[in-house]
Amino acid sequence: GAVVSQHPSWVICKSGTSVKIECRSLDFQATTMFWYRQFPKQSLMLMATSNEGSKATYEQGVEKDKFLINHASLTLSTLTVTSAHPEDSSFYICSAQAPRHYEQYFGPGTRLTVT
Amino acid sequence: AQKVTQAQTEISVVEKEDVTLDCVYETRDTTYYLFWYKQPPSGELVFLIRRNSFDEQNEISGRYSWNFQKSTSSFNFTITASQVVDSAVYFCALSGRDSNYQLIWGAGTKLIIKP
Repeated sequence: GAVVSQHPSWVICKSGTSVKIECRSLDFQATTMFWYRQFPKQSLMLMATSNEGSKATYEQGVEKDKFLINHASLTLSTLTVTSAHPEDSSFYICSAQAPRHYEQYFGPGTRLTVT
Repeated sequence: AQKVTQAQTEISVVEKEDVTLDCVYETRDTTYYLFWYKQPPSGELVFLIRRNSFDEQNEISGRYSWNFQKSTSSFNFTITASQVVDSAVYFCALSGRDSNYQLIWGAGTKLIIKP
């Protein structure tokens, strides 16, 4: 089956620093990748949709300068949380979608804690 | 607009009891997909099922079964003879042309199985 990995699985960083999270589709090419954020005891919230080779489309209310998304290849998308603050602490999940395929395959998530 | 409602915030049952998780959806699409995901405490989403709107047959997979009824716009999930390992948060989701095939998530139902 389709496998998506995320790295790191958890990260602790100091306020003001930047953190990069990688999302990789291991056995298929993903033309579209999605980034979600999940607060405790809440559902997933879509942050942005990224298509390979083009700029990401951000959902309303998501700061594009704060959450930098790069989808440089068909198997890799990165999310960089810039100048992180404690309120950015959350569980970040990526998913990947194959061409002409409507199903999303999810990564295991990255737990970010900003101190 | 598309919407998914999981009215049950939390359900608690004793092991071996049967339990049904409700999911009601709204969509204007004639073709759409419905999903169930399990999210255990580890956070990683586990895909359970995808149902195409044209396929109203009920599905059974071991102790899991799904009842899809277009007439009531419901896609309910039943666990028979529940086990402690079934404890998790369960999400119902909808995808269709109206949402550009992005997943519309329910709020999730936290299922607690007591030994």
